Amino acid sequence: QVTLRESGPALVKPTQTLTLTCTFSGFSLSTSGMCVSWIRQPPGKALEWLARIDWDDDKYYSTSLKTRLTISKDTSKNQVVLTMTNMDPVDTATYYCARLRGYSYLFDYWGQGTLVTVSS
Amino acid sequence: DIQMTQSPSSLSASVGDRVTITCRASQGISNSLAWYQQKPGKAPKLLLYAASRLESGVPSRFSGSGSGTDYTLTISSLQPEDFATYYCQQYYSIGATFGGGTKVEIK
Repeated sequence: QVTLRESGPALVKPTQTLTLTCTFSGFSLSTSGMCVSWIRQPPGKALEWLARIDWDDDKYYSTSLKTRLTISKDTSKNQVVLTMTNMDPVDTATYYCARLRGYSYLFDYWGQGTLVTVSS
Repeated sequence: DIQMTQSPSSLSASVGDRVTITCRASQGISNSLAWYQQKPGKAPKLLLYAASRLESGVPSRFSGSGSGTDYTLTISSLQPEDFATYYCQQYYSIGATFGGGTKVEIK
């Protein structure tokens, strides 16, 4: 059974760095073809893909946000970590991690999401 | 980046109605198109992929079609549990992009 769960602060101040952790089970990121992404959704708005990390440590980022994002993995802990620098109120959103099906950007399992509010 | 445009942004329908949602890509995506259902406070759920392939466990009243840049999601007979927001997503290019969503509400 595949599960993913996001964790991190519910509130961050403007200019701070956000660090989110995705802890998963039911698959391993050391297995060939496995990949995990982060996706966010501002309140009442659409979904936005942020970043992806592959089993072989290849990394991909949203063009518009790549200067602020870093994705990494700890295979031994079954965790993927996303950091986003210089947070702004417009970054207020629910942040999801999701597993990709194979090498495609098809998201077949999602975490429940974690709401991050950026406010002073 | 490939832009995805969904229409309508919202619709009202009754139980039993046939509902169609459209999605247009800014360039051809070779059927690399998925549909997700999202209920309030929940994560999106994958319904269809490759434009027309039903994800395991998804009821057969959901279907998808299309090619090139234009795709549709059809719910043949709307059920109470289908009231939700639906998103299309292309996975043709590096970096997925989603449509703006279609909220299906009870008439």
